[in-house]
Amino acid sequence: TQLLEQSPQFLSIQEGENLTVYCNSSSVFSSLQWYRQEPGEGPVLLVTVVTGGEVKKLKRLTFQFGDARKDSSLHITAAQPGDTGLYLCAGAWGNTGTASKLTFGTGTRLQVTL
Amino acid sequence: DAGVIQSPRHEVTEMGQEVTLRCKPISGHDYLFWYRQTMMRGLELLIYFNNNVPIDDSGMPEDRFSAKMPNASFSTLKIQPSEPRDSAVYFCASSHRGLAYEQYFGPGTRLTVT
Repeated sequence: TQLLEQSPQFLSIQEGENLTVYCNSSSVFSSLQWYRQEPGEGPVLLVTVVTGGEVKKLKRLTFQFGDARKDSSLHITAAQPGDTGLYLCAGAWGNTGTASKLTFGTGTRLQVTL
Repeated sequence: DAGVIQSPRHEVTEMGQEVTLRCKPISGHDYLFWYRQTMMRGLELLIYFNNNVPIDDSGMPEDRFSAKMPNASFSTLKIQPSEPRDSAVYFCASSHRGLAYEQYFGPGTRLTVT
C-alpha cells in the first residue's frame, strides 16, 4: 500500500503569516494533486503537477513537485482566513492518460485567524 | 453547469437497516468514484467505475457493501446490513478520461448508524 504522509497535521497561524505544507511518499507518482476541503463539503481540486521539479502558482499559493516525483510542497504567502480548511495531497500512478486511482494523504488542517 | 450531486446529504439509521446512497456524476465524465472519509482513516477509495463498469473494488470493506452504476448518470452505494462502524462521510467523485486523476467531488452524504 502506497502511503502519503503530510506534515504538519495541524497548523494554526495568524493572518498575514506564511506557511508550507509537505507531502511525502516512498513511491514515484505519475501525477500529484492538491485539494482543499472546507467543513461540510467535498474536496476541491486546486492544482495538478506532473513533471519533476515543476512549480505552479495559484494566486498566493505555490505548489512544487519534487525532482524525483516522490514529494510535493504547498506554500501559502500572507495567509488569509479564507485559506482555512483541510489540505489534501493525492497521488496517481500509471500513464497520465489512463491513471485514475488516487491515494490521498493524511491531510493538513489549517486555521488562519485574524 | 451542475457538479456532482449526492443524496441524501444526511442519513441516520439504526444498526441492521439497509442504506442506499445515490450519486449523479458530471455529464460527460467517464469515471465515477466512491470514497469514505473518517477522522481515523482519512479519505479512502472504495470502488470506481469506468464507462459504467466496475474497475477496482478492492477498497470495499466487506460483502455488506455493494455499488452499481446502471447508466452513465447514476450510481448507488448500498450497505446491508449497516453497522455503527460504517458511520462516516461518503463522497462520490467523477472525472473525464485523459485527466482521470482530476476528480470532482460531490458534497458528500454524512451517514450515522446508531
